Amino acid sequence: GIQVEQSPPDLILQEGANSTLRCNFSDSVNNLQWFHQNPWGQLINLFYIPSGTKQNGRLSATTVATERYSLLYISSSQTTDSGVYFCAVPNQAGTALIFGKGTTLSVSS
Amino acid sequence: GAVVSQHPSWVICKSGTSVKIECRSLDFQATTMFWYRQFPKQSLMLMATSNEGSKATYEQGVEKDKFLINHASLTLSTLTVTSAHPEDSSFYICSATTGAMDTEAFFGQGTRLTVV
Repeated sequence: GIQVEQSPPDLILQEGANSTLRCNFSDSVNNLQWFHQNPWGQLINLFYIPSGTKQNGRLSATTVATERYSLLYISSSQTTDSGVYFCAVPNQAGTALIFGKGTTLSVSS
Repeated sequence: GAVVSQHPSWVICKSGTSVKIECRSLDFQATTMFWYRQFPKQSLMLMATSNEGSKATYEQGVEKDKFLINHASLTLSTLTVTSAHPEDSSFYICSATTGAMDTEAFFGQGTRLTVV
């Protein structure tokens, strides 16, 4: 099945710093989603981004489908950005999502 | 985005008892719902796919008699953990879609199950 790899596994930042999270996937996909899992476990939808670039406030994402990767940019990080960031792509049936192992981000003040 | 509500948020139960978790799509009809399991500091692993009005499809290694899934309506799917044991303690989270391929998925808040 399709493999999803995220890097780095852990990231420690000072408040105000910028960061880039990467997601590589092993096969062509028709969509990709980025999530933020908060300390209570809830998955917050960040981006639904099959290709191209999207921006939402301090966050932006770019997916290059032909090269099988996606990037999540966080600018001017805040302590509330802390948590685990997951990328996920559809399985072969195109229905359920397959998740990467996540990037754990810690932002300190 | 669409809203998926999961209940309860957390539950503690005794070994040998059963626990039911509900997943509801509040503002759209979810022909397909998914159940995932997440162990501490690990990723989400798909347990089963639930289609309204039909039997659930379980992933390899998931015991269907232990994790009973019912999807009786377009807005509700339930996961029942039967005869729970401490090793079933985990974070269970559902997601829902309209059923079309490659559509955006939305997730419930998750349920933290502790079996004592």
